[in-house]
Amino acid sequence: QKEVEQNSGPLSVPEGAIASLNCTYSDRVSQSFFWYRQYSGKSPELIMSIYSNGDKEDGRFTAQLNKASQYVSLLIRDSQPSDSATYLCAVTGFQKLVFGTGTRLLVSP
Amino acid sequence: SQTIHQWPATLVQPVGSPLSLECTVEGTSNPNLYWYRQAAGRGLQLLFYSVGIGQISSEVPQNLSASRPQDRQFILSSKKLLLSDSGFYLCAWSFEQINEKLFFGSGTQLSVL
Repeated sequence: QKEVEQNSGPLSVPEGAIASLNCTYSDRVSQSFFWYRQYSGKSPELIMSIYSNGDKEDGRFTAQLNKASQYVSLLIRDSQPSDSATYLCAVTGFQKLVFGTGTRLLVSP
Repeated sequence: SQTIHQWPATLVQPVGSPLSLECTVEGTSNPNLYWYRQAAGRGLQLLFYSVGIGQISSEVPQNLSASRPQDRQFILSSKKLLLSDSGFYLCAWSFEQINEKLFFGSGTQLSVL
């Protein structure tokens, strides 16, 4: 079982829709969870951090964490073509972050 | 504010040649430093991390090595490159002893031919 699992996609949504990206993790003691956005050929950019169960909102982005189910998600409201990128889920392990392989999101105009 | 510099942006090297990639961080002291590699269409693979000067932990056996000669400088090296060393190399830093969120440099696209 992979430590952090994401559906590779692509997830295709129309402009203005809500994009829902999901991630599951295996280490029950993980305490910190992050979402990174990576455009093709560029480095990952941190967009959301979440540390406790529930929802955390920042602009059009909402991160959701459920530690009991070992599940973290990212919702993007009013999706824009500029949101088209690969989204990486990352979870803290021992002295390092563990990354998922990412979900590719395509937002069509 | 903190910034991370990584160079070069692109590099084309022949098989068997040496490699040196450099990364520096500004605006913070005693950061944790990391080297990742991302092969085309693949996830991020942690290669090395460092929690202090001269302290290097290796995650994957390979023909690469890392060094941290100064607090905010991290270097990735190889004596002889292999074709399989091609990929996107990313340097990253995190605050010491906090929640380990990473901040990435702009990356180096390495092609070994």
